Amino acid sequence: EVQLVESGGGLVQPGRSLRLSCAASGFTFDDYAMHWVRQAPGKGLEWVSGISWNSGSIGYADSVKGRFTISRDNAKNSLYLQMNSLRAEDTALYYCAKARDGLQGAFDIWGQGTMVTVSS
Amino acid sequence: DIQLTQSPSFLSASVGDRVTITCRASQGISSYLAWYQQKPGKAPKLLIYAASTLQSGVPSRFSGSGSGTEFTLTISSLQPEDFATYYCQQLNSYPLFTFGPGTKVDIK
Repeated sequence: EVQLVESGGGLVQPGRSLRLSCAASGFTFDDYAMHWVRQAPGKGLEWVSGISWNSGSIGYADSVKGRFTISRDNAKNSLYLQMNSLRAEDTALYYCAKARDGLQGAFDIWGQGTMVTVSS
Repeated sequence: DIQLTQSPSFLSASVGDRVTITCRASQGISSYLAWYQQKPGKAPKLLIYAASTLQSGVPSRFSGSGSGTEFTLTISSLQPEDFATYYCQQLNSYPLFTFGPGTKVDIK
């Protein structure tokens, strides 16, 4: 079964850091670009960051650029999001998602999400 | 950056209705557009990619059309399980893949 499972969310104080993980199974992980998408409570979807299959191409939304770092470990079938200098506005459900093909592929597989709450 | 708008933002419809949602891009994006369905408490589900290609396993009552700056998602005969929020996403400006604000389809 093709599956993505996020972990690492929780309650964190403003200014602190958190690292999210996404474990992939059921497909050849290193064949596909991967992304992080977030959704604040009651709000719409916001693309956060994406990484190509070989980590050669990486991008960030302006709202997280300079604070968040995406990475992947193809040997471990895992995607990561290092989040530093967290702000209240980063509070959201964070999804990892698989691109169906190539760098501009739509997101065909999604995890169930991990909740990040930034509050003092 | 490419911005997406969706209309309407909210739609009230009955089972069996034909429903059309429009997504407009602030600049041309060729056919690099996808549509997703999201139900409360669930992850989004890919419906359409490349503007008009139906994702495997998605019912044929869903269809997409358009290119450039204007796109539509059509549900030919609304079913009870289709009440959800629908998002468009542009995939033209790698790696900045923006989503539209969403259209909530509710029961009349």
